[in-house]
Amino acid sequence: EAGVAQSPRYKIIEKRQSVAFWCNPISGHATLYWYQQILGQGPKLLIQFQNNGVVDDSQLPKDRFSAERLKGVDSTLKIQPAKLEDSAVYLCASGGQGAYEQYFGPGTRLTVT
Amino acid sequence: GDSVTQMEGPVTLSEEAFLTINCTYTATGYPSLFWYVQYPGEGLQLLLKATKADDKGSNKGFEATYRKETTSFHLEKGSVQVSDSAVYFCALSAAGNNRKLIWGLGTSLAVNP
Repeated sequence: EAGVAQSPRYKIIEKRQSVAFWCNPISGHATLYWYQQILGQGPKLLIQFQNNGVVDDSQLPKDRFSAERLKGVDSTLKIQPAKLEDSAVYLCASGGQGAYEQYFGPGTRLTVT
Repeated sequence: GDSVTQMEGPVTLSEEAFLTINCTYTATGYPSLFWYVQYPGEGLQLLLKATKADDKGSNKGFEATYRKETTSFHLEKGSVQVSDSAVYFCALSAAGNNRKLIWGLGTSLAVNP
């Protein structure tokens, strides 16, 4: 079974530029999560989708971050404009229907200069 | 609200030493409990899980037992290897919280040959 795929793996941008990350979850997983992990810290949930609907986006900085999962499969997370403090690893995870555990992709390491 | 407390790191051990990483939790109801591992430069991997009291999760020589009476889920391994060097995260998921994972801060483990 293929795992969660993410791209790109690394991205370097200047502040005020925009960036987008892509995630393809494990086939059949209804729930998709985006996390931000700052170096040395645990993951922070940004947004949770159930199929193509948003379940929780309470910690998403909506003035600059947006995410979509239009067909209930893959998802895109965008930052526009980026700030220095957005430098982090962005992790995507997915979970099966009725399951509690989440399966993570390799992450995208974003550096904002 | 729900929370997870892990022992602080870093933990440094010699190869073949015994490992314990303490994890305690606060939650209403009966959460599922997880240990995730993050190797350098990689995403989070589910290491083991337990979904009810007295369950023992095990994988790759690691074990943890769900202790409801002490609200604990301590991670143990009898003989660590250099390849076990990573950051270990304890997490819980409660049914009434959209199955959101509540994370500990992580414990860094370094194993020296």
